[in-house]
Amino acid sequence: SQQGEEDPQALSIQEGENATMNCSYKTSINNLQWYRQNSGRGLVHLILIRSNEREKHSGRLRVTLDTSKKSSSLLITASRAADTASYFCATDAWAAGNKLTFGGGTRVLVKP
Amino acid sequence: GAGVSQSPSNKVTEKGKDVELRCDPISGHTALYWYRQSLGQGLEFLIYFQGNSAPDKSGLPSDRFSAERTGGSVSTLTIQRTQQEDSAVYLCASSLGIDRGAFFGQGTRLTVV
Repeated sequence: SQQGEEDPQALSIQEGENATMNCSYKTSINNLQWYRQNSGRGLVHLILIRSNEREKHSGRLRVTLDTSKKSSSLLITASRAADTASYFCATDAWAAGNKLTFGGGTRVLVKP
Repeated sequence: GAGVSQSPSNKVTEKGKDVELRCDPISGHTALYWYRQSLGQGLEFLIYFQGNSAPDKSGLPSDRFSAERTGGSVSTLTIQRTQQEDSAVYLCASSLGIDRGAFFGQGTRLTVV
C-alpha cells in the first residue's frame, strides 16, 4: 500500500502562476521528499524535509510539513512550461522498515 | 559511473520466459531500491537493500520475482515465467541513506507479449 497520497491528481495552470500540491501520509515518518518525473522515466530528487522541520525552500520551491496533520505541500512559484511534469511525494518511516515509499503523484501542466 | 545505470532500456519478451533486469548504482551508495510503474501510475515498491542488512522484500508481488545485490553494488531483478501483467517500467534507485535523496536510473520498459 502507498504511504503518501497526492492531491490533486492533476493540475493545469498558466505560465507565471503558482502551483500547489499536497501530500498526505498515514504513519509517523522520518523524512518526506518530493520528486519530479518527466516523460515517465527516471525521477529527479527535488527536496527533503525532516520530521522536525516545518518549512524548507529551494529556488522556486517551497515545502511545508505538518506532522500533526500528517501532510505536506509543495509550492512552485512563477511556474514555467519546463515545470510540466509529474510530482511525487515519498516518505520513509521507522515502522515500515525505513524504505522509501511513493504516492500516486500529481500531474502538472503549465501552459505557455 | 556518474549516475544510476539500468539495462536494458527496453525489453520485449514472450509470456512464460524469464527476464533479468540490471541496475548499477552510484558507487558508495548503501541503499538500493527497485520499483515498478505502470503507465500513468505511481511507483510500486518492490524491494529495498540497505548495506549488509537482509533485504526488505515485502513489495515483491509473487514468488516469480526475486532480486539480489552482489558485493553491495550491482543488483539484478529476475522475473520468472513472465505474465502480461508484469509489463511496466522497472525503476532502480540508490542513495547514501534514508536522510538523503535517492538517485534514479532511467528504467527498463518491460513488455510481455
